[in-house]
Amino acid sequence: DAKTTQPPSMDCAEGRAANLPCNHSTISGNEYVYWYRQIHSQGPQYIIHGLKNNETNEMASLIITEDRKSSTLILPHATLRDTAVYYCIVRAIQGAQKLVFGQGTRLTINP
Amino acid sequence: DTGVSQDPRHKITKRGQNVTFRCDPISEHNRLYWYRQTLGQGPEFLTYFQNEAQLEKSRLLSDRFSAERPKGSFSTLEIQRTEQGDSAMYLCASSLAGLPDEQYFGPGTRLTVT
Repeated sequence: DAKTTQPPSMDCAEGRAANLPCNHSTISGNEYVYWYRQIHSQGPQYIIHGLKNNETNEMASLIITEDRKSSTLILPHATLRDTAVYYCIVRAIQGAQKLVFGQGTRLTINP
Repeated sequence: DTGVSQDPRHKITKRGQNVTFRCDPISEHNRLYWYRQTLGQGPEFLTYFQNEAQLEKSRLLSDRFSAERPKGSFSTLEIQRTEQGDSAMYLCASSLAGLPDEQYFGPGTRLTVT
């Protein structure tokens, strides 16, 4: 079973920041938080991951709370192409660990 | 940049037939994963290879399913005696051992069993 809880859907206006929350209250010390997204009819795409510090790359920012029980993925300037299902996944550091997907958040960017 | 490729992209078959799907991972990736995704659900893990060794199989992978990665490069997933419940998108992913071990997914093979 997925170890994360996400809202089933969210809307955001084009050009605004999209903030996608994720609860992972049972996360353990050796688990990272990963975010993937899946655009319709495509395979999932890696976005970003983090352990305990905030992370930023060219796609997004990841803010992890100090107690690591929740996180927020931020798309700073959402475009229509960001419409997708976003999955928050916790995953152990060591070993080859399969990804356990939950239901994700269906993000719709509106013009 | 050649990403993960899968063939075929779509397959329609009659119940009881056998089907085989192929996955070509990113060339330097030594890990390969298969997932299955049904409509409205997130992908579910099926099996995983490191090089040519199959190291983990999900309980979802019944004995009608078999996967191989003969030379540690491409992989095949075969389903024997297909059932309507096998209709799904079959996704392949690959990664390079070591952190961050991000998985790169192919476009998937959509199987419809009639």
